[in-house]
Amino acid sequence: KAGVTQTPRYLIKTRGQQVTLSCSPISGHRSVSWYQQTPGQGLQFLFEYFSETQRNKGNFPGRFSGRQFSNSRSEMNVSTLELGDSALYLCASSLSGLSGNTIYFGEGSWLTVV
Amino acid sequence: AQKITQTQPGMFVQEKEAVTLDCTYDTSDPSYGLFWYKQPSSGEMIFLIYQGSYDQQNATEGRYSLNFQKARKSANLVISASQLGDSAMYFCAMREGRRGGGNKLTFGTGTQLKVEL
Repeated sequence: KAGVTQTPRYLIKTRGQQVTLSCSPISGHRSVSWYQQTPGQGLQFLFEYFSETQRNKGNFPGRFSGRQFSNSRSEMNVSTLELGDSALYLCASSLSGLSGNTIYFGEGSWLTVV
Repeated sequence: AQKITQTQPGMFVQEKEAVTLDCTYDTSDPSYGLFWYKQPSSGEMIFLIYQGSYDQQNATEGRYSLNFQKARKSANLVISASQLGDSAMYFCAMREGRRGGGNKLTFGTGTQLKVEL
C-alpha cells in the first residue's frame, strides 16, 4: 500500500515568486492536512481539507492557500514568497479525521527561498 | 488552548537498552488522541504509536509502548531494546476531539535521541 506522496521533494525559489506543492494521500484517505516545520517555530498546522472543503485553518497569512481535488489529492500554494517561508512542508492523510483514525505523513517538501 | 511539552531536548541511550521519552499535555477537551512520530534527518515523519483518551490499555506497537497516565496528563514513549536506527528526532503530538472530526495536530518541540554502541 503506497504511503503519502509529496512532490517535489526539494525546490529552490526566489523571493516574490510563488510555489505549488502537491500531496497524494494514502488510497481511501479523504482528509489531508498540511504543516510547516522550521527550526525556529517547530511544527505548525497550516490547514486541513476533507472532501474538497477546508475544515480547519491555522494562523498563517492569506499567502498560504490550499485545495483538495475530488480524488483527495491536495495542493498548497504560497504566493509572494518570503525568506521566512523556507521550511519543510509536510502533508498528512487520514481516513476521515474522526477520533481514532491514525494520521500518516509524507516525506515532505523542502522549500528554500533565496 | 492545547499544549504539548517535551522537556528533553536531547537523549543518549546505549544500544539494546530501553529509553523513555517524556511528553506532557494540556487540554480541556475530554476526548483527544496522542501520537508519537519519529523524524530521521531525511525529514519524513514516521508514525509510531497512538493512544486515545478513552483507551483503557496502554498502546503498544512492537518495541514501542506508550505509558499513558491520564491523571498526570503524561504520555511517555518507551522504546525497548534500542537500535542504532532509532537515532532520530521524536515528536509527541495531540489531536483534540472536535465535533465533526478534524486532523489538527499540536506538536511538542521534540526530543533528539542518539543511540550509541
